[in-house]
Amino acid sequence: NAGVTQTPKFQVLKTGQSMTLQCAQDMNHNSMYWYRQDPGMGLRLIYYSASEGTTDKGEVPNGYNVSRLNKREFSLRLESAAPSQTSVYFCASSRYYEQYFGPGTRLTVT
Amino acid sequence: SQQGEEDPQALSIQEGENATMNCSYKTSINNLQWYRQNSGRGLVHLILIRSNEREKHSGRLRVTLDTSKKSSSLLITASRAADTASYFCATDAAYSGAGSYQLTFGKGTKLSVIP
Repeated sequence: NAGVTQTPKFQVLKTGQSMTLQCAQDMNHNSMYWYRQDPGMGLRLIYYSASEGTTDKGEVPNGYNVSRLNKREFSLRLESAAPSQTSVYFCASSRYYEQYFGPGTRLTVT
Repeated sequence: SQQGEEDPQALSIQEGENATMNCSYKTSINNLQWYRQNSGRGLVHLILIRSNEREKHSGRLRVTLDTSKKSSSLLITASRAADTASYFCATDAAYSGAGSYQLTFGKGTKLSVIP
């Protein structure tokens, strides 16, 4: 089992460009999450999906949109990237309490 | 907002010594978890302790929970160079639905184990 996979691993965008971060899990988990991690800030929840067909905002949703494409896949879209969105983005999935994380996408917006 | 706050922010010890990290949180919880993050990697779940438990062991890990003080500690015994990582506590912030919970993470303790 691959667990949680994320693509791409690295990305550089110019201000105003758009992109979609992809996440997939093969553990048949109902819930999936997107976090961002900034130096000294820990992880902050952007959006989550409790089950297929539902999405909800987390702590820092502004500037992002998500799509729960099916039970396996949960994508994060930046419509118009800003330098403040430079961060490392992690996708996670869970069945109950324990969350399983992907390897992360390092995004730089110039 | 961060629910858990780890202390210290950074810790440097010699191989073979014990490492203790602390976590404080603000609101009542159902359980508390500890995660490890190696440099450049995703987080990995280490251990979960429920609110009605006071202590839990897993290999070289010992976790305590004091709900009256809203605090937890993670002890790593006989540390190894491979334990070098950042350690985060996470509390269940809210029920997400479908049996899962949102987690709120602290800012982490960066542990360096010197060979």
